[in-house]
Amino acid sequence: NAGVMQNPRHLVRRRGQEARLRCSPMKGHSHVYWYRQLPEEGLKFMVYLQKENIIDESGMPKERFSAEFPKEGPSILRIQQVVRGDSAAYFCASSRGPQSSSGANVLTFGAGSRLTVL
Amino acid sequence: KQEVTQIPAALSVPEGENLVLNCSFTDSAIYNLQWFRQDPGKGLTSLLLIQSSQREQTSGRLNASLDKSSGRSTLYIAASQPGDSATYLCAVNFGNEKLTFGTGTRLTIIP
Repeated sequence: NAGVMQNPRHLVRRRGQEARLRCSPMKGHSHVYWYRQLPEEGLKFMVYLQKENIIDESGMPKERFSAEFPKEGPSILRIQQVVRGDSAAYFCASSRGPQSSSGANVLTFGAGSRLTVL
Repeated sequence: KQEVTQIPAALSVPEGENLVLNCSFTDSAIYNLQWFRQDPGKGLTSLLLIQSSQREQTSGRLNASLDKSSGRSTLYIAASQPGDSATYLCAVNFGNEKLTFGTGTRLTIIP
């Protein structure tokens, strides 16, 4: 069981380019969460997805950011027309079920993808 | 507003000492609280999870306590080792699917 796999681990983009970050959840996990960690700040929730459904995207910026978790393949966080302020570490986490379910499904985090915008 | 605060931001202690890390939260109606460890350039490792109905959890040299009424949690590390050096994050589930994180305490154990 390889855990939560994120790639790329490091990504450099110039302003205006697109960034695509991928997350493969742990085997048996169907719930995926994306968090962003800006320099010197705590992790902030972005979006919660299940297969083919966005459940909660209240933490996503209104523009340029989108996320998907297709029936097959990894979850993808897409940032269009990147700006310097998008430079951050983006963490993906997965769980077997909702956080609010009995038994409190523990999140397993990936190692993160570090985006640098030049 | 639901917030999580960790003070101090950084802490250095000599090897072998026992230490306590603090976490406070603004809303006592929590579902659970987790302590994570983050190493530089790495992901997060879950250390302990405390349900709202529990008062403490223990794993090896780590003990986490929860006092909902005062909005506080502590992470106690016994007999500290250089390998314990990392950033420790407190995260609260306020009853939805989002974890609210503190900004962490950067711990350095001095050999």
